[in-house]
Amino acid sequence: GENVEQHPSTLSVQEGDSAVIKCTYSDSASNYFPWYKQELGKRPQLIIDIRSNVGEKKDQRIAVTLNKTAKHFSLHITETQPEDSAVYFCAAGEAGYQKVTFGTGTKLQVIP
Amino acid sequence: GAVVSQHPSWVICKSGTSVKIECRSLDFQATTMFWYRQFPKQSLMLMATSNEGSKATYEQGVEKDKFLINHASLTLSTLTVTSAHPEDSSFYICSARATGPQHFGDGTRLSIL
Repeated sequence: GENVEQHPSTLSVQEGDSAVIKCTYSDSASNYFPWYKQELGKRPQLIIDIRSNVGEKKDQRIAVTLNKTAKHFSLHITETQPEDSAVYFCAAGEAGYQKVTFGTGTKLQVIP
Repeated sequence: GAVVSQHPSWVICKSGTSVKIECRSLDFQATTMFWYRQFPKQSLMLMATSNEGSKATYEQGVEKDKFLINHASLTLSTLTVTSAHPEDSSFYICSARATGPQHFGDGTRLSIL
């Protein structure tokens, strides 16, 4: 089955700085890579996703890059704000079925 | 759009009882629903996948007789934790999808005394 590793487990940045979270996956059949944000005690919310036919996708301050050859994908948050503080999960799976395997999570703290 | 409601949000019960958790898609028809378990400060572990009208597919290591899943309609799936014990205490989250990405419910915090 799929195995997703995520680093770092915790990340502290100053407000306004950029944050980068990296993930690797093992199953070459995976072609769908969503990122979720989960605030304490709340539901995970999809913030951005990318499919394997695209190398990069951007949505305002958030961008995701994918290196399918290396089986790496990353989340980039620019101009971080305190409300970006949360746990972020990457995931990998097959787009058609949408079953995904989640990474271990990164707790992001943005310091005002 | 794409609202998923999960009920109850918190339940405390005695060891040995059964607990039912409901997951509803409020504004779309969910062809597939997923049930996850999340331990504190850990990731979401998929327990099972259910498609409307068919038996759930359980992940390796998940006891199907312990965690009963029913997906009787396109808007409702239930997870019943049977004969719950303290080690079953956890945060259970469902998600639902039609043709797009998964949308998560708010989760149910289950505490077994």
